[in-house]
Amino acid sequence: SAVISQKPSRDICQRGTSLTIQCQVDSQVTMMFWYRQQPGQSLTLIATANQGSEATYESGFVIDKFPISRPNLTFSTLTVSNMSPEDSSIYLCSVDEGGDTQYFGPGTRLTVL
Amino acid sequence: AQTVTQSQPEMSVQEAETVTLSCTYDTSESDYYLFWYKQPPSRQMILVIRQEAYKQQNATENRFSVNFQKAAKSFSLKISDSQLGDAAMYFCAYRSVRDKLIFGTGTRLQVFP
Repeated sequence: SAVISQKPSRDICQRGTSLTIQCQVDSQVTMMFWYRQQPGQSLTLIATANQGSEATYESGFVIDKFPISRPNLTFSTLTVSNMSPEDSSIYLCSVDEGGDTQYFGPGTRLTVL
Repeated sequence: AQTVTQSQPEMSVQEAETVTLSCTYDTSESDYYLFWYKQPPSRQMILVIRQEAYKQQNATENRFSVNFQKAAKSFSLKISDSQLGDAAMYFCAYRSVRDKLIFGTGTRLQVFP
């Protein structure tokens, strides 16, 4: 399976600021995904990022709050903008392999004060 | 809409014993995939096992096996010879062809020596 890395692994931020999370894959993949996992909760899909096109956002998530870039087939970024304490979560990226199985990065733990 | 239900918020097992985690799902699709992911405190989502709905044979990966009952829409995970390292959150997930991954709420597994 693909090896996926995320930066940063964790961060503590002040409200009103923005944080950009990077996701790097060791092989070319068509589809990358960004998830949010709020404390004690399951994973919720934020958006799907395909190279060369705009990200597709799930209901409840908007581009102004979570802008995503996908400049090539091995890299993507998720920005959490104008943060509030409610944005404190684990953010995970994942990639599709074989068209049906997703593999996940190690996650970024974000705390907003 | 497809849903995934994990009715056991917490389970515990003694080391070397066997434990079964339950998962049910609701779908009108005939072709889909089912997964169990493990999330230890390190927070990375690790794929444990994968089942293709069109395969009647239950998937097995070393000490992990599933009981897939398509008609009953049930997909339980059996962990044999439990080890301390098996302690984690376990998420059941469903994915229909070319659609997004849907997670259950998770089951926290404790392993006692």
